Amino acid sequence: EAGVAQSPRYKIIEKRQSVAFWCNPISGHATLYWYQQILGQGPKLLIQFQNNGVVDDSQLPKDRFSAERLKGVDSTLKIQPAKLEDSAVYLCASSFGVKDEQYFGPGTRLTVT
Amino acid sequence: QKEVEQNSGPLSVPEGAIASLNCTYSDRGSQSFFWYRQYSGKSPELIMSIYSNGDKEDGRFTAQLNKASQYVSLLIRDSQPSDSATYLCAVRANYGQNFVFGPGTRLSVLP
Repeated sequence: EAGVAQSPRYKIIEKRQSVAFWCNPISGHATLYWYQQILGQGPKLLIQFQNNGVVDDSQLPKDRFSAERLKGVDSTLKIQPAKLEDSAVYLCASSFGVKDEQYFGPGTRLTVT
Repeated sequence: QKEVEQNSGPLSVPEGAIASLNCTYSDRGSQSFFWYRQYSGKSPELIMSIYSNGDKEDGRFTAQLNKASQYVSLLIRDSQPSDSATYLCAVRANYGQNFVFGPGTRLSVLP
């Protein structure tokens, strides 16, 4: 079974530029999560999708971050404009069923200069 | 604000010893608990989940849950240098609700 796919793996941009990340969850997983992990900290949930719908986006900085999950499969996370403090690893995870165990993709390391 | 706390470490144990990692959480209504291992520069990987009070064993790993004390732990028996990583505790209140991760405990197993 293929795991969670993410791209790109690394991205370096200047502040005020925009960037987009892509995630393809494990086949059949209805729930998809985007996390931000700053070095030395645990992952922080940005947004959670159940199929096409948003379950929780309470910690998403909506003035600059947006996310969508079209057709309940792939998802994109966008930052526009980026700030220095957005430098982090952006992790996508997916889960299925009542046990709801999350499986993570390899992440995208973003550096904002 | 739901919180999950872990000792940041580093926790150092000799090879072959038992490593004990602890996690406390603030939301008394939490129902699901997860332990993840994260190697440096890699993404978290699921070790095990636990939902009921008591112990759950999987190979060299044992998760222990005490909901009354709002405490979950992970024991690693016969620790190996390859177990050196950061261990993340994650807690979820109810099915479908979001997970809250702790800051992680860095474990170092010394040969």
